[in-house]
Amino acid sequence: DTEVTQTPKHLVMGMTNKKSLKCEQHMGHRAMYWYKQKAKKPPELMFVYSYEKLSINESVPSRFSPECPNSSLLNLHLHALQPEDSALYLCASSHPTGENTGELFFGEGSRLTVL
Amino acid sequence: AQKITQTQPGMFVQEKEAVTLDCTYDTSDPSYGLFWYKQPSSGEMIFLIYQGSYDQQNATEGRYSLNFQKARKSANLVISASQLGDSAMYFCAMREGQVRNQGGKLIFGQGTELSVKP
Repeated sequence: DTEVTQTPKHLVMGMTNKKSLKCEQHMGHRAMYWYKQKAKKPPELMFVYSYEKLSINESVPSRFSPECPNSSLLNLHLHALQPEDSALYLCASSHPTGENTGELFFGEGSRLTVL
Repeated sequence: AQKITQTQPGMFVQEKEAVTLDCTYDTSDPSYGLFWYKQPSSGEMIFLIYQGSYDQQNATEGRYSLNFQKARKSANLVISASQLGDSAMYFCAMREGQVRNQGGKLIFGQGTELSVKP
């Protein structure tokens, strides 16, 4: 079983809806990530939080809003999405220190469909 | 320019045979890390193996080994004794720079879809 838990596993929403994706890890990692992945494509980095502060925003549209309430939780708030935002959203965590390889631990993903 | 290149979109291998998945990379940073991840149809990205740029020996993890040729900038994954459960998408990824500066920001290749035939 993965040690990074994502909910919900599947989400269908209309373009006017507001929803959230949630991610939780209890490995003591201090860096957390959101990636977006389209079918048969590699994951694309969206956001990085390091020590609960947003450190990287890869020019993601404002209809995606990340939030890191504490070191174990990462949310992605969704509002006014477009059908092309339909994708698998992967959460990951890692140790942001020099004593580790920088390996990312991924959750199983949340599969989002925007109608 | 592509930083990570996987030239095999899809591959087939017979069960119990070995298979090599190709990966080349491009960086001018002397400190970097190379990763291989497996992604089954369920979606989860599963870490397989890691090679650091300063590591003298090729990494091995069970049936997985990494053929690291630094001068050629290649980091091919070798899976020995393929099993039906190895059928999945495989991604090569790179971290440029030291972990403390880059955290875990990884650049992924386009992936290779491996199918193991019984």
